[in-house]
Amino acid sequence: EVQLVESGRNLVQPGGSLRLSCVASGFVFSNFWMSWVRQVPGKGLEWLASIDERGIEKYYLDSVKGRFTISRDNAGSSVFLHMAGLKVDDTSVYYCVREVGGGAFGGWGQGILVTVSS
Amino acid sequence: EVVMTQSPATLSVSPGERVTLSCRASQTIKSKLAWYQQRPGQAPRLLIYGASTRATGVPIRFSGSGSGTEFTLTISSLQSEDVAVYYCQHYHNWPPWTFGQGTKVEIK
Repeated sequence: EVQLVESGRNLVQPGGSLRLSCVASGFVFSNFWMSWVRQVPGKGLEWLASIDERGIEKYYLDSVKGRFTISRDNAGSSVFLHMAGLKVDDTSVYYCVREVGGGAFGGWGQGILVTVSS
Repeated sequence: EVVMTQSPATLSVSPGERVTLSCRASQTIKSKLAWYQQRPGQAPRLLIYGASTRATGVPIRFSGSGSGTEFTLTISSLQSEDVAVYYCQHYHNWPPWTFGQGTKVEIK
């Protein structure tokens, strides 16, 4: 069974930084692209960043480019999202997701709520 | 950027009835479309990919169709556990990968 478990601090001040971690199990992690998707509570889904199997190709939503960095550790079956220059508008539930079939998101973590507030 | 538009915003349906949800892409995405179900308080779950292929474990009452710019998700007979928000998402000409705004399905 595919399992993705996110962790990280839940509260950060505006302008601060934060690293989210996601540990995967139940599949061969190094064979899959991984991504992060966020959702403001009660609102829709927004793709943020993706990374290829080797950690070489990385793609970002324009609004987070330069502030967010995706990385992975295949030996530890983990993917990370480092977020800097956080804004109140970055307050969301952040999901770690596994890509399948060339770009569908088949496998979601339970999500972690990150609140940016003073 | 491909913009995904879903309709209607909300559907209120009686148990056992057929449900049809629509998703339109602003440009052709061939069959690079996925559907997700998000039940209240839960993470999204992949239902359909490749416009019409059911993901593992998805009940056969869920079916997807369409190609190009017009897509449909059909629930053949609504069950109480199908109450959720349903999202479409394209994965053609990325980045970015984009989602529709969602359709909320309620029980009448």
